Amino acid sequence: AQKITQTQPGMFVQEKEAVTLDCTYDTSDPSYGLFWYKQPSSGEMIFLIYQGSYDQQNATEGRYSLNFQKARKSANLVISASQLGDSAMYFCAMREWNGGGADGLTFGKGTHLIIQP
Amino acid sequence: NAGVTQTPKFRILKIGQSMTLQCAQDMNHNYMYWYRQDPGMGLKLIYYSVGAGITDKGEVPNGYNVSRSTTEDFPLRLELAAPSQTSVYFCASRGGGGQPQHFGDGTRLSIL
Repeated sequence: AQKITQTQPGMFVQEKEAVTLDCTYDTSDPSYGLFWYKQPSSGEMIFLIYQGSYDQQNATEGRYSLNFQKARKSANLVISASQLGDSAMYFCAMREWNGGGADGLTFGKGTHLIIQP
Repeated sequence: NAGVTQTPKFRILKIGQSMTLQCAQDMNHNYMYWYRQDPGMGLKLIYYSVGAGITDKGEVPNGYNVSRSTTEDFPLRLELAAPSQTSVYFCASRGGGGQPQHFGDGTRLSIL
């Protein structure tokens, strides 16, 4: 089973609208972290936001917020007031602290977000 | 404020050739990683290191080797390049705890 599932291969959104990018995850480890990265067409990976499994509040970073629903194992990224520069690939990733496997991030396949003027 | 530096940015290899992808970080991070990204996919972990002298395999280690003789450097070696190794390679590093990984700009490698 996939550990990170992003069900939206692509999305078109009007500029200034809010965007929700879906991410569900699968783990039996009670200690884990969820990350979102942005990859613009230039190719670099840009860290956006982090949520720890024990964090009581949803993470926020400027226009980015993470809608963390632990019981549903979902960690959706919300971008408020979208801008043309938000057009990019977005990846959800997870790190399991006590998984016993390799240290490192497990990535989803990504969502290609296009902001239209 | 260099962060994670990868060289080269682009490279074309012939089947069977070898090469080393360089990665250096100036943030004094103990943890370093190599990932590959195939077209239309997320990143997959090749190898990682939790400190100088310590390396371990990730999800897709076959055909690659790494070494970590210093905290700063984490080179990735391809022996006997194969077309299946055509990909974009990313190096990353992080500090301790829940710190996020910081990525280099990637190396685009084509094996022909």
